[in-house]
Amino acid sequence: GAGVSQSPSNKVTEKGKDVELRCDPISGHTALYWYRQSLGQGLEFLIYFQGNSAPDKSGLPSDRFSAERTGGSVSTLTIQRTQQEDSAVYLCASSVSGGAVETQYFGPGTRLLVL
Amino acid sequence: KQEVTQIPAALSVPEGENLVLNCSFTDSAIYNLQWFRQDPGKGLTSLLLIQSSQREQTSGRLNASLDKSSGRSTLYIAASQPGDSATYLCAVGGATNKLIFGTGTLLAVQP
Repeated sequence: GAGVSQSPSNKVTEKGKDVELRCDPISGHTALYWYRQSLGQGLEFLIYFQGNSAPDKSGLPSDRFSAERTGGSVSTLTIQRTQQEDSAVYLCASSVSGGAVETQYFGPGTRLLVL
Repeated sequence: KQEVTQIPAALSVPEGENLVLNCSFTDSAIYNLQWFRQDPGKGLTSLLLIQSSQREQTSGRLNASLDKSSGRSTLYIAASQPGDSATYLCAVGGATNKLIFGTGTLLAVQP
């Protein structure tokens, strides 16, 4: 697509439920990043996919968080047994190949509210 | 651990003023530094990317400088306009371009 798209744009869920957030990167971009923006922590890195390489999961805050990327394109971030502290804006970004001097293009984000 | 700080946290200026936003980072082993703007309820828009070997980048009324050894970057906005009102974020990137973001500067340009 022309830009990075994310769905849903907003999600309200109850504590303890599982949620799935979707990211569709720019067509042809092999690198995909997930970030989280919360009031208390600012904007922080979660996970990085590059082609067929094993993902860099070093930013995932707990084992309740997981992500996959199917067919090298669309990615899904799953949060199991959601907690109120998971409330945040989840941002996805993509770049051409994950090079150190490439611009990352961000999607509009998914606003997650856990009640 | 890399930490990125931005000063000031908020800034309000009258239209037409030139202004400077500051960004500092604790570990100089970076591959790039990027400036983004974020409008309310929206994602991030990349403004400028400075490679670690570069000293500055310019785009229109924006100029960003990088002093890697001292761990500092500035974003200069010339002749500010109300449409420049947004949150400005700096971020440093490593080898895989995982970005570590600063705390942001909320800019309001008054007409």
